[in-house]
Formats: sequence, C-alpha cells, structure tokens
Amino acid sequence: GNSVTQMEGPVTLSEEAFLTINCTYTATGYPSLFWYVQYPGEGLQLLLKATKADDKGSNKGFEATYRKETTSFHLEKGSVQVSDSAVYFCALSEDTGFQKLVFGTGTRLLVSP
Amino acid sequence: KAGVTQTPRYLIKTRGQQVTLSCSPISGHRSVSWYQQTPGQGLQFLFEYFSETQRNKGNFPGRFSGRQFSNSRSEMNVSTLELGDSALYLCASSPRTGWNEQFFGPGTRLTVL
Repeated sequence: GNSVTQMEGPVTLSEEAFLTINCTYTATGYPSLFWYVQYPGEGLQLLLKATKADDKGSNKGFEATYRKETTSFHLEKGSVQVSDSAVYFCALSEDTGFQKLVFGTGTRLLVSP
Repeated sequence: KAGVTQTPRYLIKTRGQQVTLSCSPISGHRSVSWYQQTPGQGLQFLFEYFSETQRNKGNFPGRFSGRQFSNSRSEMNVSTLELGDSALYLCASSPRTGWNEQFFGPGTRLTVL
C-alpha cells in the first residue's frame, strides 16, 4: 500500500539555521504531496502542497519540490525562527478520487534562540 | 469564513462506554473526513463522508462509525470504548470529495480510563 517515510526527530536547531526534513513516499499512480504543521494543542495546518512531478510548493519561507525520480518531497527553510517550533507531517493524497491522506510519523522541530 | 469546528474539545470516558464526537465543516464544504492521532500509530484515516454517504473507510473495527447530515455536519461514534481508543480525533473538510486540500479542525482529545 501507499506509505510515507519521514526522518526521525527531534530536529534541534538554533535560530537562523538552515532546515531540511526528509520525506520519501511509496505510491501507485500520481499522488499529491503535502506538508502539514501541528503546533502544541492544535490541529493540522496545511503548510504547502505539490500536485505533480517537479512542482515546487512554498509558503512562509518553507519550500518542497515533488521529485518523482527519487520519490521525495523534502521540506526546507533557509532561516528558521523560534516560532517554527512544531511537529511537521509529510502526507500524500492517493490518486483514487477519494479524500484520504496517508501521513508520515511526523518530525518535531525545536528551534532555540 | 469560520474554520472547521469540533465539539467537545476534551472528553473523559471509561472503558465500555460509548462516545459521540461532532464536526462542523467550513461553510460550503461537503466532504468530511475523520482521522485518529495516537503517539504509537500516528495519524490514521478513519472514514470520509460526502453528501451523507460514506465514501471510504480506513482499517478500524466496526465499533467506529460515523454519519453525515444534510447540512454536511458529521458525527463519529465509538462504542464499547477501549483504553487504546484514547487519542486526538481530527476532522477535516473539503469542498468536495477528491479535492486536493483538506482543512483540519482543532481536534477532540478523548481519554479512556
């Protein structure tokens, strides 16, 4: 079945450091790919998405490129802030016409001043 | 536009009881999906409702059920609660089924004692 694999956390960085969170996927067809963020005590917020190969999603300084050849969708940010501390989930939407997201296990990011 | 709302936000139940959780989607959204989030299993898809019909179901026992009303509001029910049902239950809405993007509510935190 379809699956998403994320790097284990926590990822601990100092403010203004460069961030990469790795995400790879296994899927049949042509899934859409997403990054969601979850702040403590809250639900999920969509951070960015890409719907086809070579698309780049971007939002709030975060970027990720849909790489079909490496089945990857790594999240990057050039300069993290303390307010970016949260749990980040990579997810795919199966290419079935149904509304089902398959999530990775999540990666906790801790940014210190 | 108001976001997805879920009630109640917190619930404490005992084993063997049943519970009903409610979700009101974003106005105009007709697809509602439910997810269970636990530390051990992560985020898992429960089911999706669209136009009052269950469109898709995840791999959960029959104790988990749901329904959708004509105004698109949705409820999920868990009968004969087990300790392992303790989780954050997230509801997400979309304009229609097969839409790329889902908008999540804050979740209902269920604790089973």
